[in-house]
Amino acid sequence: AQTVTQSQPEMSVQEAETVTLSCTYDTSESDYYLFWYKQPPSRQMILVIRQEAYKQQNATENRFSVNFQKAAKSFSLKISDSQLGDAAMYFCAYRTGMDSSYKLIFGSGTRLLVRP
Amino acid sequence: DTGVSQNPRHKITKRGQNVTFRCDPISEHNRLYWYRQTLGQGPEFLTYFQNEAQLEKSRLLSDRFSAERPKGSFSTLEIQRTEQGDSAMYLCASSPTGLDEQFFGPGTRLTVL
Repeated sequence: AQTVTQSQPEMSVQEAETVTLSCTYDTSESDYYLFWYKQPPSRQMILVIRQEAYKQQNATENRFSVNFQKAAKSFSLKISDSQLGDAAMYFCAYRTGMDSSYKLIFGSGTRLLVRP
Repeated sequence: DTGVSQNPRHKITKRGQNVTFRCDPISEHNRLYWYRQTLGQGPEFLTYFQNEAQLEKSRLLSDRFSAERPKGSFSTLEIQRTEQGDSAMYLCASSPTGLDEQFFGPGTRLTVL
């Protein structure tokens, strides 16, 4: 069974600085997808960024980028120029590449605090 | 607002009672998912519908849990004979065919006394 591990329960960053959130996963599959979701306090979870395992190029979405290391089964999220609105729970998630399953397997999350 | 909606947002019940939650997905999203999130944890998958067909269920979905999506639109999640361990946030998400992104609702927070 696949598992996702986020070893940082909480991280803190100064506004305008850069922070990296860690995620590792365990799978025997070669085809899968990885995601970072953001859950602001009392608000809906939203997708931040996604990565297909077959793509070597790391995904980037504006201030958000990932460092995808397939051999190491590592998928970290870098947030540049941190803003107060980035404060939230961040969840790393895995989805199999099999067409028959679309469920997401989530890690336990990292709470990001942004200091003004 | 055309996002995923869930009702009620909060539910307090006594142990042993039955509860039902409703999820209205984004219009024309044929895939619908239910997750459960306990305090300090990430969401855990419960079940998945494609249109009206329930295609995948987690082992977490015991026989006290049942989910339906009768016409491929809204979905209900019922918990019978609630237990204190059922206290959690129940999240619904939807997605259209061909898109990986799941769009989440605000959740229903269940407290079992």
